[in-house]
Amino acid sequence: AQSVTQLDSQVPVFEEAPVELRCNYSSSVSVYLFWYVQYPNQGLQLLLKYLSGSTLVKGINGFEAEFNKSQTSFHLRKPSVHISDTAEYFCAVTRWDRDDKIIFGKGTRLHILP
Amino acid sequence: DSGVTQTPKHLITATGQRVTLRCSPRSGDLSVYWYQQSLDQGLQFLIQYYNGEERAKGNILERFSAQQFPDLHSELNLSSLELGDSALYFCASSPGLAGVTGETQYFGPGTRLLVL
Repeated sequence: AQSVTQLDSQVPVFEEAPVELRCNYSSSVSVYLFWYVQYPNQGLQLLLKYLSGSTLVKGINGFEAEFNKSQTSFHLRKPSVHISDTAEYFCAVTRWDRDDKIIFGKGTRLHILP
Repeated sequence: DSGVTQTPKHLITATGQRVTLRCSPRSGDLSVYWYQQSLDQGLQFLIQYYNGEERAKGNILERFSAQQFPDLHSELNLSSLELGDSALYFCASSPGLAGVTGETQYFGPGTRLLVL
């Protein structure tokens, strides 16, 4: 079964500083990878996803992520964060060649400091 | 607004009781997914339905059951409730099988269940 590890449960960062949220998944050659964001008191919404092709994926709100097959990672980055980025971020993986369910990581809470 | 609706928004009940949570997917979406989110367990996949049929099962307890109706709305039934069942329950929908196609899941606002 697929699994996802988000290495940091909380990440504090100053406003306008860069941030990286880390995600590692269990090894597989046939994966789709996702980052979802949950703003306070809301449901999740898609930030970006990797299906195939270019390993650098750009998403909404200035976020991007890089798929690294050799390191089985899909880290999320933003060059300059804003207070509005305060949220919980979830990495998710599925193995498409097995019609597998999508597995979410435990989430990383991003705290933006003024 | 994702287009996925969930009712009720909040539910307070007692241990041992039974509740039903309802989800209406986005227009045209055939798949419905149920998730449980709690502080200690994070976001746990419970079950998926596709066009009325159960497609995948996750960490769903035997006390919990779900179904998807011909009009594609779905209900999650939780019975013999325990304190530990207190959580946020999300429904999501997608046009097809998100695990196969990589399509986006659209999440509802959730139902917050408190078991006293």
